[in-house]
Amino acid sequence: SQTIHQWPATLVQPVGSPLSLECTVEGTSNPNLYWYRQAAGRGLQLLFYSIGIDQISSEVPQNLSASRPQDRQFILSSKKLLLSDSGFYLCAWSVGRQGYGYTFGSGTRLTVV
Amino acid sequence: AQKITQTQPGMFVQEKEAVTLDCTYDTSDPSYGLFWYKQPSSGEMIFLIYQGSYDQQNATEGRYSLNFQKARKSANLVISASQLGDSAMYFCAMREFQYSGGGADGLTFGKGTHLIIQP
Repeated sequence: SQTIHQWPATLVQPVGSPLSLECTVEGTSNPNLYWYRQAAGRGLQLLFYSIGIDQISSEVPQNLSASRPQDRQFILSSKKLLLSDSGFYLCAWSVGRQGYGYTFGSGTRLTVV
Repeated sequence: AQKITQTQPGMFVQEKEAVTLDCTYDTSDPSYGLFWYKQPSSGEMIFLIYQGSYDQQNATEGRYSLNFQKARKSANLVISASQLGDSAMYFCAMREFQYSGGGADGLTFGKGTHLIIQP
């Protein structure tokens, strides 16, 4: 069966420090991968999506970047965190162009202090 | 303009009553899909139900059904016989297929409805 792993679950980082959040998928190949951010009390905002290795599309300009070094690995990074980067980050995957089985990871709650 | 609108920030419902969560959407894409997700306090996003724009019948999944009114661009979620465990945030989301340019762009979410089931 397909599973998605996301870590860490909680992170507190000082302003200006780097960030690396990792997401891996098991049980499927060539998934579409997504990073979403959810600000407190808000809906989810799509940050990045990827249809393959090293193929990353950014939805909004920001202080973050994403990479996909392997088929089932998706990494969210920042060189210098801002206070506004605080939020709940969710990784998700789907299969196929019209696949509707979006599956989300358990999320990372990031607090920048 | 918002693509997904959920007009109910919060709702209180008595246990065992039916609940309708509102969702309207805006798209000119003839091919799209509508989703409902549940987010409990733990933060995980749980897929509930899906409706395709060309589906003739309203989608149903157990106690969940989607009241799809295409002409009104409405996709309300109906939860029958609500339970205490239904208390959570509920998000409506949409994906446009034809205008996505062949890519795999993700879902567009509404701001959510916080549903609280009271005993």
